[in-house]
Amino acid sequence: EPEVTQTPSHQVTQMGQEVILRCVPISNHLYFYWYRQILGQKVEFLVSFYNNEISEKSEIFDDQFSVERPDGSNFTLKIRSTKLEDSAMYFCASKTGRVGAGANNEQFFGPGTRLTVL
Amino acid sequence: AQSVAQPEDQVNVAEGNPLTVKCTYSVSGNPYLFWYVQYPNRGLQFLLKYITGDNLVKGSYGFEAEFNKSQTSFHLKKPSALVSDSALYFCAVRDRNTGGFKTIFGAGTRLFVKA
Repeated sequence: EPEVTQTPSHQVTQMGQEVILRCVPISNHLYFYWYRQILGQKVEFLVSFYNNEISEKSEIFDDQFSVERPDGSNFTLKIRSTKLEDSAMYFCASKTGRVGAGANNEQFFGPGTRLTVL
Repeated sequence: AQSVAQPEDQVNVAEGNPLTVKCTYSVSGNPYLFWYVQYPNRGLQFLLKYITGDNLVKGSYGFEAEFNKSQTSFHLKKPSALVSDSALYFCAVRDRNTGGFKTIFGAGTRLFVKA
C-alpha cells in the first residue's frame, strides 16, 4: 500500500540554524500539506500546496517558513532560522483529487519528523 | 472560522464495553468531517469521513460516527472496545465551501481501554 514517507525521523539543531524537513507524498496525489504537533498539544495546520504554489497558510507559517516541491516527488519544509518554540513533531500529508472534487478526500499522513531545537 | 472541539481530554472504557468519543464543530458552510487515530510515535491514520448522505458513517476497525447537523456533532463510536483501540483520536473538519484546502483538527482525546 502506498504511503507518505518523511526524513529524517528526528532532527536536532541549534537555535538560529536552518533546517529542511523532507517528505515524499504518495505519487498520484495532488495536494500536499505540512502540520505540526507540539508535544502533548493539538495538530496545527501550517500550509497547503497545490499546483506548485501555496494554496493556504496559517498564521504560524511566517516568513521563516517556506515549502518547495523541487523535483515532482519530494515536498520540503524549510525553517530558515529555528527558534526554541519550533520544537515539535512535523507531519507531512497528501491527498488526491482534482480542483472542486478533491475537497472531500482524506489526507494520508507521514510518520512525522521530530524537530528538537536546542 | 472553522473550529473543532473535543470536550474530553481522556476517555476510559473497559474492554467489551461500547465507547464514544465526542466531537463538535463550527464552520461557516457545510462541513466535511473526519476522524483520525494516532498511535504512539506514529503519524495520523484515517478512520472515517462524512461527506454527504447517510448520517451514520462506518469506518476502519469497527468504528462508526454519526453526523448530527442540528447539534453540529460528529461523535465517534464503537459497540465493543478492544485494548488495542487505546490511542489518541482526532476529529477534523474541512469547509467544503472554501476550496477544501485547510483541515482543522481538534485537540485530541486519549482513549484508554482496560482489559
